[in-house]
Amino acid sequence: GNSVTQMEGPVTLSEEAFLTINCTYTATGYPSLFWYVQYPGEGLQLLLKATKADDKGSNKGFEATYRKETTSFHLEKGSVQVSDSAVYFCALSLFPLTGNQFYFGTGTSLTVIP
Amino acid sequence: GAGVSQSPRYKVAKRGQDVALRCDPISGHVSLFWYQQALGQGPEFLTYFQNEAQLDKSGLPSDRFFAERPEGSVSTLKIQRTQQEDSAVYLCASNVRGTNVLTFGAGSRLTVL
Repeated sequence: GNSVTQMEGPVTLSEEAFLTINCTYTATGYPSLFWYVQYPGEGLQLLLKATKADDKGSNKGFEATYRKETTSFHLEKGSVQVSDSAVYFCALSLFPLTGNQFYFGTGTSLTVIP
Repeated sequence: GAGVSQSPRYKVAKRGQDVALRCDPISGHVSLFWYQQALGQGPEFLTYFQNEAQLDKSGLPSDRFFAERPEGSVSTLKIQRTQQEDSAVYLCASNVRGTNVLTFGAGSRLTVL
């Protein structure tokens, strides 16, 4: 089947610390991989994506590399800020997207303290 | 519109009441999805529309849940005889035809007392 497993939270870091949130997946096809972020009281926003093996998605200082050999898409940021406090969801999507082909992890809550 | 718009943002219902949640997708997005997000969980698929046709409703948890999109734009998710376990955030998303990237609305948070 199709599923996403991500690191359990919550994660608490000091400002400027290095962040890694692990994500692994299983998929019946060749998925696209995503990280979505959900700030308090808001909906999910696309943070970054990668559509094929070895692609690196990046945005706002966050990066993740599509690793087919390890079925992973770990999220990293070199220096977190208080404003990065949010819940992060790893997800996969199969193409074409015509129904139930988008699968989310359970989310990892990140709190960055000054 | 510029983004996916959902209303109401917050809804409190007494057990047994019917509720209706509205989604206005991005203009031109033919595909529309509804998801349910329980507290501390990731979104779970409910149903999918392509234009006005409901092509997948495999995620609707019971026959109390009903969704429609009569003119292929605005969609309404209706929950009849609400139960406490229906308390969740209901997310609407749309996407551009031929892509597999979802754009989400801010969600409607339903609390059933």
